[in-house]
Order: sequence, then structure tokens, then C-alpha cells
Amino acid sequence: DQQVKQNSPSLSVQEGRISILNCDYTNSMFDYFLWYKKYPAEGPTFLISISSIKDKNEDGRFTVFLNKSAKHLSLHIVPSQPGDSAVYFCAARVYSGTYKYIFGTGTRLKVLA
Amino acid sequence: EAQVTQNPRYLITVTGKKLTVTCSQNMNHEYMSWYRQDPGLGLRQIYYSMNVEVTDKGDVPEGYKVSRKEKRNFPLILESPSPNQTSLYFCASSLKVSSYEQYFGPGTRLTVT
Repeated sequence: DQQVKQNSPSLSVQEGRISILNCDYTNSMFDYFLWYKKYPAEGPTFLISISSIKDKNEDGRFTVFLNKSAKHLSLHIVPSQPGDSAVYFCAARVYSGTYKYIFGTGTRLKVLA
Repeated sequence: EAQVTQNPRYLITVTGKKLTVTCSQNMNHEYMSWYRQDPGLGLRQIYYSMNVEVTDKGDVPEGYKVSRKEKRNFPLILESPSPNQTSLYFCASSLKVSSYEQYFGPGTRLTVT
């Protein structure tokens, strides 16, 4: 069962506009949520995180929102830039004897110049 | 430069021929992990290591072995590869098992015919 779901495989946005990437989860025991960005032929790189006790975290152009009642988080990129074109993975951490990380399937973002 | 390196980056092999994918990090991280990425399935953890000589199974360990004899190295061994192990493999490390920010290597694309 997919505990972390990214239902949109791809997204296209005009440069300068807002990109919104979504992620749904099922496990209420997740304590941290993470976003990673991946360029072709490279490994994922950490982008931003949010604790389960927060509802918003901001870092420059990137903001992550967490809605615990809906078990939903989203990543907002404002303004979007062509260099943001990449695959974005949502991930969640849970403690079950040790820490485990569950990744979503990724959303490919294309920012059009 | 702080990094995680993997070798080889690309490998085509035949069923049953033992192979090793190396992983090395220069950040003195305690925690290291191997993931595989398959279309529609996201990143799934194969094995992880919390420190030297401490390894454990992830979610998809069948057909793989690992060892952690030195802190910096965490090789992935496929003793008898099969076509269903054709995948993109990532090694990752973090300071400690509780550190949610993982640093990923560039990936190894393995094809087993």
C-alpha cells in the first residue's frame, strides 16, 4: 500500500507563476515530511521539511503547508523559475523501532520560459 | 566537497553474474542506506546501516546483501542478479539515523538481461 501518494505525475507552469505540488498520506504516525528535488542523472537533493506539529514552513521561494486533518501537504514555489524544472519527491518519516522513510512516486515539474 | 559517490553509474549484466555497486561518503555520516527507484513506485529502501557493522533490512531486501566494514563505505551486493532487479539504485547517507536530511549519490542504472 502506498502510504505517501503524489497523484499528479507532471505539472507545467509558466515562469513567474506559482507552482503547487501536492502529496497525500495515510499514516498519522509520520512525524516529519520532506521534499526532495531531482534533476536528470543526479540523485535527489533535500529541499525543505516540515514537522508534523507545524502547519507551514518557508524557505525563500519554497513554502510547505501541512493539513493534518486532510492528511495532505503541498509545496508552493513562488515565483517559479526555469531552473526549478525537476522531479519533486514527497517523503515522510515514521518511527517503528527505527526511523523509516517513505517516498512518493514523484511529480515532474516543467517551468516554461 | 561533501558528497556521496557511487560506482559504476551504468551497468548491464546477465542473470546470475555476481556484481557489487560501491557507495562511499566523505561526511563522516553514521547512517547509510540503499534505495531502488522504479516507475510508479517511488524510492523504496533496500537495506540500511546505522553505523559500522550494524545493518538491517529495508522494505525490499530480497536478492541483495550489504556490508559496512568502514564508516565511509556501504557496498550493495547482488549475488545472483535477476531481471526484476533492473532498476535505478541510489545510495544515501545522513549524519545519524534520526537526521531526516539524507544526501544521495548520483545513482546507478542497472540492467539485468
